[in-house]
Amino acid sequence: DAGVTQSPTHLIKTRGQHVTLRCSPISGHKSVSWYQQVLGQGPQFIFQYYEKEERGRGNFPDRFSARQFPNYSSELNVNALLLGDSALYLCASSRGRPDGQYFGPGTRLTVT
Amino acid sequence: QQQVKQSPQSLIVQKGGISIINCAYENTAFDYFPWYQQFPGKGPALLIAIRPDVSEKKEGRFTISFNKSAKQFSLHIMDSQPGDSATYFCAASDTGGGNKLTFGTGTQLKVEL
Repeated sequence: DAGVTQSPTHLIKTRGQHVTLRCSPISGHKSVSWYQQVLGQGPQFIFQYYEKEERGRGNFPDRFSARQFPNYSSELNVNALLLGDSALYLCASSRGRPDGQYFGPGTRLTVT
Repeated sequence: QQQVKQSPQSLIVQKGGISIINCAYENTAFDYFPWYQQFPGKGPALLIAIRPDVSEKKEGRFTISFNKSAKQFSLHIMDSQPGDSATYFCAASDTGGGNKLTFGTGTQLKVEL
């Protein structure tokens, strides 16, 4: 079975721009979570969606938003990009709680 | 209260030796404790996980030891190999409150020949 897939792999944006990151979960997984990983640190929770409903939100500004589609894929949107948004954005899927979360390879976002 | 503290920050072990990484938590609502392995440029990979109703779980060369009263858990890698060289993260979640993972700060492991 295919693992979690994310696109694009890398992205370079300019301050103030908007970005959309995409994630496809493992087949059969209904929950998708997004994490931000800054270089040298552990991932930080941004959002969790289950069955298209937001089930949790981390301590991130309103510039960050997400949604989950009927096929359980998900998008993370970030508006008004700041230099500090440069990070590896990780998507993880699971069947639901309690269950292990399986991460994708991430999208490396660089804001210049 | 949401923090998970991880040590050491870096670790060098000889091939065949035992690698030990420790984590501590404060939130008593945490009830699921996974360990992840991450190679440079890759996403974290789930290695092994434990729930607080058991004190130890072993999968191959990887063992989690869990001490509920001390609010500590550790990863032991037996017979460490150069291919185990990676960054290891402990994490914890309160599954009753969702599936949000709170990660430790990571341990960079290097296994030398």
